Amino acid sequence: GENVEQHPSTLSVQEGDSAVIKCTYSDSASNYFPWYKQELGKRPQLIIDIRSNVGEKKDQRIAVTLNKTAKHFSLHITETQPEDSAVYFCAALRSGNTPLVFGKGTRLSVIA
Amino acid sequence: DAGVIQSPRHEVTEMGQEVTLRCKPISGHDYLFWYRQTMMRGLELLIYFNNNVPIDDSGMPEDRFSAKMPNASFSTLKIQPSEPRDSAVYFCASSSGFSRHGYTFGSGTRLTVV
Repeated sequence: GENVEQHPSTLSVQEGDSAVIKCTYSDSASNYFPWYKQELGKRPQLIIDIRSNVGEKKDQRIAVTLNKTAKHFSLHITETQPEDSAVYFCAALRSGNTPLVFGKGTRLSVIA
Repeated sequence: DAGVIQSPRHEVTEMGQEVTLRCKPISGHDYLFWYRQTMMRGLELLIYFNNNVPIDDSGMPEDRFSAKMPNASFSTLKIQPSEPRDSAVYFCASSSGFSRHGYTFGSGTRLTVV
């Protein structure tokens, strides 16, 4: 089955700097890669996703890149702000009747 | 839509007691998932349903755990008897199809077994 590895587990950046979180997946048939943000005490919420027919997707300060050959995808947050502090989860899904497989999460702290 | 609704938000119970967690998925969503979140293991998929039918319960840790979905708008996760190691946040999520959209999570139930 699919296995998703996520790094780093914790990340601290200064406000205004960029943050990058990386994930690798094992199943080459996976074709959908969402990212979730979970603020303290709240639910995970989808912030951006990418499908395997696209190499990069941007939404304001966040972007996701996908390298299908290497089987890895990354979340990039530019001009970080204190409200970006949260746990971020990557996930991968294989088409067909299989559910999302989540990474273990990255705790991002943005220091003002 | 009010989103995925879970109840209760917090549950504190004594070891050995039965615990029932409840979930109302988004109307029209045909998949429902139960996850458990702990610091050590992250988000673990316990079981999921498609059109009210359990598809995969291989993530259910023990026979003490059971889940039902009697209709399209309601699901329960039951732990009987509960143990301290069951303490975690339990999330319910729903989606419309597997690959068209991501999952929408409920607010979760924080379970503490003392």
